[in-house]
Amino acid sequence: GQNIDQPTEMTATEGAIVQINCTYQTSGFNGLFWYQQHAGEAPTFLSYNVLDGLEEKGRFSSFLSRSKGYSYLLLKELQMKDSASYLCAVGPNYQLIWGAGTKLIIKP
Amino acid sequence: DGGITQSPKYLFRKEGQNVTLSCEQNLNHDAMYWYRQDPGQGLRLIYYSQIVNDFQKGDIAEGYSVSREKKESFPLTVTSAQKNPTAFYLCASSRGTAATNEKLFFGSGTQLSVL
Repeated sequence: GQNIDQPTEMTATEGAIVQINCTYQTSGFNGLFWYQQHAGEAPTFLSYNVLDGLEEKGRFSSFLSRSKGYSYLLLKELQMKDSASYLCAVGPNYQLIWGAGTKLIIKP
Repeated sequence: DGGITQSPKYLFRKEGQNVTLSCEQNLNHDAMYWYRQDPGQGLRLIYYSQIVNDFQKGDIAEGYSVSREKKESFPLTVTSAQKNPTAFYLCASSRGTAATNEKLFFGSGTQLSVL
């Protein structure tokens, strides 16, 4: 079967660094997305990886290893506004497989 | 500003009733999607559309219907055949076709509950 696994919940401290992991088993691979979703709101795009390696975008970075079926989202200098759920998804768009999301709680 | 607008924010359905969720976008995107989000689960695709007057079933289309009469609009009807409709419904759009990996732009969602 096809599935994506993410930790259900993580807690981190303001100003620290946190790594959110995502492992996937899919019949094909066209790329991996990370989205951020605040409670009761729309998901917003964070990053997209199609090749192995690290993609850095400000405080957020995303890593992909296709051979291991593994990705992580790295958040640096955590801020209270980073408290949200982080969704991992494997494309293409018309058959995206979504993880259940990781709820990140930031403590002062 | 361009974006996707969903309405209403909250909707209540009585047993045996059909309800329609609105989704409008002014991003000039060809592809539009409807997702259902339940607690503890990943997003699940209900329907998607790549061009006007054409749409395809997703993984959980039973009990739902859609139309795409205009490029900007992709309404979702939750019919009485959907026995467990309580969920958060998200509409999204993307550039290009649905077979691409263009990022999705989401509306703010509609929370549907059963009375």
